[in-house]
Amino acid sequence: DGGITQSPKYLFRKEGQNVTLSCEQNLNHDAMYWYRQDPGQGLRLIYYSQIVNDFQKGDIAEGYSVSREKKESFPLTVTSAQKNPTAFYLCASSQQGDRNSPLHFGNGTRLTVT
Amino acid sequence: GNSVTQMEGPVTLSEEAFLTINCTYTATGYPSLFWYVQYPGEGLQLLLKATKADDKGSNKGFEATYRKETTSFHLEKGSVQVSDSAVYFCALSDRDTGRRALTFGSGTRLQVQP
Repeated sequence: DGGITQSPKYLFRKEGQNVTLSCEQNLNHDAMYWYRQDPGQGLRLIYYSQIVNDFQKGDIAEGYSVSREKKESFPLTVTSAQKNPTAFYLCASSQQGDRNSPLHFGNGTRLTVT
Repeated sequence: GNSVTQMEGPVTLSEEAFLTINCTYTATGYPSLFWYVQYPGEGLQLLLKATKADDKGSNKGFEATYRKETTSFHLEKGSVQVSDSAVYFCALSDRDTGRRALTFGSGTRLQVQP
């Protein structure tokens, strides 16, 4: 079955360490997205990519970095510059070129930084 | 910019009660509108969508009508079940901008009691 795989489901890190969250999709979608979810704040867009080797900042990109070297993969690095990294991170993808195309989400990674 | 406002939760209902979750939006163009549902510990799943004014999206007994005159997209269900307990997100896709990512509301938690 096609879908989006995020790993790991839970991740724990010490403050000051960079950490990379994995996101892989086999839906053949061109566009991929990273959202952050905090209680009571809904989802906020971190980065998005509409095509391989290209990506744009979302609304809260500071302290994060991404790469898009392959169509299937869009890893997110949470750097030590991110002041409040503890959150639930969701990766999504969609069909490019169709503005009505819904997002398909992975099951998320819960990151805890202490 | 674009924004989505949802009623605050939690909404607590008894089984078979009628459900309404309010959603209003602000957008510069003519957006597509979506409702997503999130079950505990999971990512978001598309529940229904509407792409133009007066369209009605429906799925699994849930309905929502795109009301351009009131900029609203309220979610309704005639008879809720315990299995409908989840967090519901209203979202929009602005078709007139280059950014294809969705803008989400803050989510409304629904708790259905037997």
